[in-house]
Amino acid sequence: DTEVTQTPKHLVMGMTNKKSLKCEQHMGHRAMYWYKQKAKKPPELMFVYSYEKLSINESVPSRFSPECPNSSLLNLHLHALQPEDSALYLCASSQDQGGRAMSDEQFFGPGTRLTVL
Amino acid sequence: QKEVEQDPGPLSVPEGAIVSLNCTYSNSAFQYFMWYRQYSRKGPELLMYTYSSGNKEDGRFTAQVDKSSKYISLFIRDSQPSDSATYLCAMKPPARQLTFGSGTQLTVLP
Repeated sequence: DTEVTQTPKHLVMGMTNKKSLKCEQHMGHRAMYWYKQKAKKPPELMFVYSYEKLSINESVPSRFSPECPNSSLLNLHLHALQPEDSALYLCASSQDQGGRAMSDEQFFGPGTRLTVL
Repeated sequence: QKEVEQDPGPLSVPEGAIVSLNCTYSNSAFQYFMWYRQYSRKGPELLMYTYSSGNKEDGRFTAQVDKSSKYISLFIRDSQPSDSATYLCAMKPPARQLTFGSGTQLTVLP
């Protein structure tokens, strides 16, 4: 099973709302990632969790708050977003980040399409 | 200068054509090279993963890496309308994060 699942598929929220995106993988991967992708652009890395600990935060605004409750789950909590935060939010996972060949092959989920009104 | 350069296209070819997609890069530390296919409004799907220089073939897809020229390619033989998608190259040094190309939009016309 090489599947990463994400819920919800679509989300519309106002600027004062609080919502969460969820990601799950059952491949035994120990590294998980959040990316943001705008139309016709490549994915941009937001956060990396390695062995359930936040290892990289790419200077993401605090209105995005990641959480890794366990090795299979990754959440992204959203609060007071701006319309420019509307994008496709992608979760990915890899075996680890050990730098060995194939261990950091990243598998992406289908994404959550977020619209902020 | 971007670390990874990829022609955004769009590229249109007739069904059955051989498609060549390319990326150049400037960081000599890159050792792992990937090609992702992304259909409209979907997540990227890993197509090919290669380590260092050489060729790798998987069905109709062949990935080539030339580290001396800092150039990677993806060839698609006997292209099909279902191959119409955006193709993203991505690469990384060991234990570092992926750097993506900007993506090439491909349309295969029936």
